[in-house]
Amino acid sequence: KNQVEQSPQSLIILEGKNCTLQCNYTVSPFSNLRWYKQDTGRGPVSLTIMTFSENTKSNGRYTATLDADTKQSSLHITASQLSDSASYICVVSVSNFGNEKLTFGTGTRLTIIP
Amino acid sequence: DTGVSQDPRHKITKRGQNVTFRCDPISEHNRLYWYRQTLGQGPEFLTYFQNEAQLEKSRLLSDRFSAERPKGSFSTLEIQRTEQGDSAMYLCASSLGYFGTNEKLFFGSGTQLSVL
Repeated sequence: KNQVEQSPQSLIILEGKNCTLQCNYTVSPFSNLRWYKQDTGRGPVSLTIMTFSENTKSNGRYTATLDADTKQSSLHITASQLSDSASYICVVSVSNFGNEKLTFGTGTRLTIIP
Repeated sequence: DTGVSQDPRHKITKRGQNVTFRCDPISEHNRLYWYRQTLGQGPEFLTYFQNEAQLEKSRLLSDRFSAERPKGSFSTLEIQRTEQGDSAMYLCASSLGYFGTNEKLFFGSGTQLSVL
């Protein structure tokens, strides 16, 4: 069964600190891995998309890494800001006969405190 | 606002009533998706359209659920005879072109349904 597991479930850090969120997946055949940010009561917003051949991608203070061999990804947030408080969802895309299907993780709830 | 818009943002209904949600995708996007999300979970796929054609439906989409995209633009999701288990956030997303080219999925803010 295709699964995406994220850790930790929740995280609280002080404003200005860095943090790293983890994602492990067991999906096949892998197409790409995405990280989304979801504010409370809003839809997810795409942060990064990485294919099999990419092992790192940055979007401002967000840097995602991908190890396709170990099927692990991480999202590193640098110099956190209060506006980073949100759920961060790891999403893995499975390619199946030319169709893409997304498998969503349950997310990491990040809280930044002043 | 040129993003994906959903209406209404919130809907409270009594068990057994019918509800209909609307999604307006980004204008040039040909693919439109419906997802359902419950508290503390990631979104779950319900169905998607390529233009006006509904190409796939999840097993989650029982016969009480129906979705349409009559002119390949906006879409509606109807739930008949609502049950308390239908309470969730219903998210719409759209994308341009063939999804396999790693196209970004743009989500709306969702419709929060509460069934009493």
